[in-house]
Amino acid sequence: EDQVTQSPEALRLQEGESSSLNCSYTVSGLRGLFWYRQDPGKGPEFLFTLYSAGEEKEKERLKATLTKKESFLHITAPKPEDSATYLCASMDSSYKLIFGSGTRLLVRP
Amino acid sequence: DGGITQSPKYLFRKEGQNVTLSCEQNLNHDAMYWYRQDPGQGLRLIYYSQIVNDFQKGDIAEGYSVSREKKESFPLTVTSAQKNPTAFYLCASSLWTGGKDTQYFGPGTRLTVL
Repeated sequence: EDQVTQSPEALRLQEGESSSLNCSYTVSGLRGLFWYRQDPGKGPEFLFTLYSAGEEKEKERLKATLTKKESFLHITAPKPEDSATYLCASMDSSYKLIFGSGTRLLVRP
Repeated sequence: DGGITQSPKYLFRKEGQNVTLSCEQNLNHDAMYWYRQDPGQGLRLIYYSQIVNDFQKGDIAEGYSVSREKKESFPLTVTSAQKNPTAFYLCASSLWTGGKDTQYFGPGTRLTVL
């Protein structure tokens, strides 16, 4: 069964303390790996799409990478405004998105 | 402003009632989607539509119905047959250029059954 698992479930960082979020997937025929940011009570906001192993994308303090089994979202020198839930989703061979349950990130000043 | 709007933001339903959630987009996207989000779980696909007057069931379609009479609109009806409808409902849209297109989400509707 196609599955996406995110870890850790929750992460607390001090401002400036870099870390990584993990997204493991077991999806046959991966068409793409998507990262979204979701603030409480709001809809997910698109961050990145990765299509092939070895691909990397960056946006401000965020960098997403992809291997054949997992993706990482690296957060460099985070600020309190980076606090949110980060969702990853894999697109399967039928072009449907399969979402993980998210990582809740809290960055303390 | 281009985007996806959902209304209402909050909705309360009594047992046995049908309710309809609105989703409108002015992005000229072909495909539209409905997801349900429950605490601690990933988003789950309810229905999707790639073209006007056509739609397909997702993974959890039981107790829900949709229509796609206009490209811009994709309303979702939560029927009384849905056993546990309390959740956060998200509408999304995307282009359809072969399937790898990014889905963009609306702000969501929180439905509570009283």
